[in-house]
Amino acid sequence: QVQLQESGPGLVKPSETLSLTCTVSGGSISSYYWSWIRQPPGKGLEWIGYIYYSGSTNYNPSLKSRVTISVDTSKNQFSLKLSSVTAADTAVYYCARHGLYYYDGYFQHWGQGTLVTVSS
Amino acid sequence: EIVLTQSPGTLSLSPGEGATLSCRASQSVSSSYLAWYQQKPGQAPRLLIYGASSRATGIPDRFSGSGSGTDFTLTISRLEPEDFAVYYCQQYGSSPRTFGQGTKVEIK
Repeated sequence: QVQLQESGPGLVKPSETLSLTCTVSGGSISSYYWSWIRQPPGKGLEWIGYIYYSGSTNYNPSLKSRVTISVDTSKNQFSLKLSSVTAADTAVYYCARHGLYYYDGYFQHWGQGTLVTVSS
Repeated sequence: EIVLTQSPGTLSLSPGEGATLSCRASQSVSSSYLAWYQQKPGQAPRLLIYGASSRATGIPDRFSGSGSGTDFTLTISRLEPEDFAVYYCQQYGSSPRTFGQGTKVEIK
């Protein structure tokens, strides 16, 4: 059973860059699409973007200018960088694996999530 | 961007009762690429339904999904105590992927 685990700083200062890594275990990162999704405290879910194991990406236009998602197949990891953060970026950040085929854009497996707080 | 509107915002029901949750899209969701998730406090969402009506692995058959185009429904036939949670719909027919704002199913 595939498992995903987010890691990274829980506190980031305003204007700095948020960096998170998702480590995939119990399966290969190859041949799947992988997404980052966030949820501000007490609010709903927002898709940030996805990456294919080959490196191709697709980002939410609302965040596109500040987001970079990358993949390291040798480590079975993918990462998120979000620049110029503000308090509005405070959220639980989840990594997730898509379904089996390229058109399966639903999120079949999720990490437990990690809370990132933006504060000085 | 496809906006998903879920209704009602909150559903107050008793165990054993049935629940009907609605998800309406601002434009047609291609190929019924719509999913439903359940989220309990402090937990990640869990995939229930994909392709509008296909149950994910391990999901009890009291959960069913239906609909097409712009109108989708999640039905829980008989609520079990563990079903009280927040439910989200999500479309993946176009980019960006979007979620509804959620429906909370609470114990009456």
